[in-house]
Amino acid sequence: DTEVTQTPKHLVMGMTNKKSLKCEQHMGHRAMYWYKQKAKKPPELMFVYSYEKLSINESVPSRFSPECPNSSLLNLHLHALQPEDSALYLCASSQDPFGALTRTDTQYFGPGTRLTVL
Amino acid sequence: SQKIEQNSEALNIQEGKTATLTCNYTNYSPAYLQWYRQDPGRGPVFLLLIRENEKEKRKERLKVTFDTTLKQSLFHITASQPADSATYLCARGNFNKFYFGSGTKLNVKP
Repeated sequence: DTEVTQTPKHLVMGMTNKKSLKCEQHMGHRAMYWYKQKAKKPPELMFVYSYEKLSINESVPSRFSPECPNSSLLNLHLHALQPEDSALYLCASSQDPFGALTRTDTQYFGPGTRLTVL
Repeated sequence: SQKIEQNSEALNIQEGKTATLTCNYTNYSPAYLQWYRQDPGRGPVFLLLIRENEKEKRKERLKVTFDTTLKQSLFHITASQPADSATYLCARGNFNKFYFGSGTKLNVKP
């Protein structure tokens, strides 16, 4: 199974709502990622979890709160978002979170959640 | 800053021709570069990886080169087909952080 699944596919929420995005992989990967992608822009890294611990937070506002309950699951909790947070949110996983510079690690992406904040 | 750039926003070619996409990097020497394909509304899909000590990598109709002197990677699709139309992203990795170029949208016309 080389699939990363994400739910929901689409989400519309108001600025006062609380919602969560979910991501799941069963490839035994030990690194999981959240990216944000705006239209016609590349994915931008938000968070990285390595062995279920948050290892990288790319200065993301606190209204985004990641959680990694176990090695297969990754959540992104959303609260008090702004309309400019509307984007495609991508989850990815990779096998080796601590690859050295000469090692390589490719990422497997999910289909994304299209988020619209009204 | 350690940039990775894809200078062409879009590339239009005729079916059957070879598409060549460019990725440039500045201010650092990546140990490897990766190329991904992304279709609209979907997540990127990994295509090829090339290490700094490799000149060329091939996979079916795809070929990637890595020129550390020019600080550039070229991505070629030979005998292009309309189904190859998509956005192609190059990416650099540093431990477990990945940064993507802005992408080149390839349009293969029948």
